[in-house]
Amino acid sequence: AQKITQTQPGMFVQEKEAVTLDCTYDTSDPSYGLFWYKQPSSGEMIFLIYQGSYDQQNATEGRYSLNFQKARKSANLVISASQLGDSAMYFCAIVENDYKLSFGAGTTVTVRA
Amino acid sequence: EAGVAQSPRYKIIEKRQSVAFWCNPISGHATLYWYQQILGQGPKLLIQFQNNGVVDDSQLPKDRFSAERLKGVDSTLKIQPAKLEDSAVYLCASSRGSGRAGTDTQYFGPGTRLTVL
Repeated sequence: AQKITQTQPGMFVQEKEAVTLDCTYDTSDPSYGLFWYKQPSSGEMIFLIYQGSYDQQNATEGRYSLNFQKARKSANLVISASQLGDSAMYFCAIVENDYKLSFGAGTTVTVRA
Repeated sequence: EAGVAQSPRYKIIEKRQSVAFWCNPISGHATLYWYQQILGQGPKLLIQFQNNGVVDDSQLPKDRFSAERLKGVDSTLKIQPAKLEDSAVYLCASSRGSGRAGTDTQYFGPGTRLTVL
């Protein structure tokens, strides 16, 4: 079974607007971590934000915030005030008790001027 | 703090040839990972080292792939002989490897783009 599901293969967003990227996960471990990575066309995977399963508050890092809904097993990424440099592939991933990162298929974001 | 270093960045070989990739993790990171990312997909874990010991290599095609991490720092990943389906980006990542598993952030290198002709 897929551990991470990203249902949006591609999204377009206007510069300066916000965009929400969906991510649902499947795990039976009580302790896990959720991660979002950005992969520009250059290929490097850039760590954006982390949410622990026991964290009470939603994580935020600058223009990135994570809408964590534990009961729904959902960890959506919100990018506010989009910039042209945000155009990239975005991956949601989960780490369970075995330290292994399992990635989703990714969502391509294109920011329009 | 220097990030994860990888070389080469690009490599083109013919099928049945051999190739090797090198990775230098972030200083002090005990855990090192090699991933394979085929175009249009998320990365897939090939092998995970904790210091210089293998933690997980269940998805490594051991008939052609090998990896080592001598002295618990640098690592090399080798493919011999290469097949057409090995064309992919090979990503190296490292993490502190301490504390609770779900909190251990992995940091990635720039990757090596391999094309097998």
